[in-house]
Amino acid sequence: AQSVTQLGSHVSVSEGALVLLRCNYSSSVPPYLFWYVQYPNQGLQLLLKYTSAATLVKGINGFEAEFKKSETSFHLTKPSAHMSDAAEYFCAVSVRGSGGNQFYFGTGTSLTVIP
Amino acid sequence: SAVISQKPSRDICQRGTSLTIQCQVDSQVTMMFWYRQQPGQSLTLIATANQGSEATYESGFVIDKFPISRPNLTFSTLTVSNMSPEDSSIYLCSVDTAGGTDTQYFGPGTRLTVL
Repeated sequence: AQSVTQLGSHVSVSEGALVLLRCNYSSSVPPYLFWYVQYPNQGLQLLLKYTSAATLVKGINGFEAEFKKSETSFHLTKPSAHMSDAAEYFCAVSVRGSGGNQFYFGTGTSLTVIP
Repeated sequence: SAVISQKPSRDICQRGTSLTIQCQVDSQVTMMFWYRQQPGQSLTLIATANQGSEATYESGFVIDKFPISRPNLTFSTLTVSNMSPEDSSIYLCSVDTAGGTDTQYFGPGTRLTVL
């Protein structure tokens, strides 16, 4: 079975501080992994994705994530938080099955940036 | 990537009525998905809609309550029937671009409030 766990439903950081949002997954087959961001009253925007190439993936807005198979993790980081980063972040795993590609989403982490 | 639009962006409806949500994509895609995001929660897949076949519903969702149309490769509708306040959610459509990484791209969502 596939699942995604996001540790910490709410994370607060000061502006300029490191952002670390945690995501662990379980998958019986090699997964594709994604981070999406949802700004208030908007849909989901793809931040970055891991597709079995480089384990360190760089995305938009200065975010990056590292795939660690041994830890079954795909944590999202950004060296310096900006006020505009305040949003909801979702980690997702995609597994191809007989019926097509199935996405499994984590419960989300709300990021607050303190000025 | 794909550009996805949804109509309406939001609506307030009375109990017992139905609302049809439209999803338009700027390119032809095989698979389209409909998700529900209840207040403060993550995304739950309602159904997968492939052109030319019946939609496939996830556990807990039925066609009578959420009929879906997929008349061509760029368009789909989701109807929320006989609405109750528990149906108040954001409804999002997404598309699978396939071709290897199978990334899902999301529309902006339809925010539904049922009184």
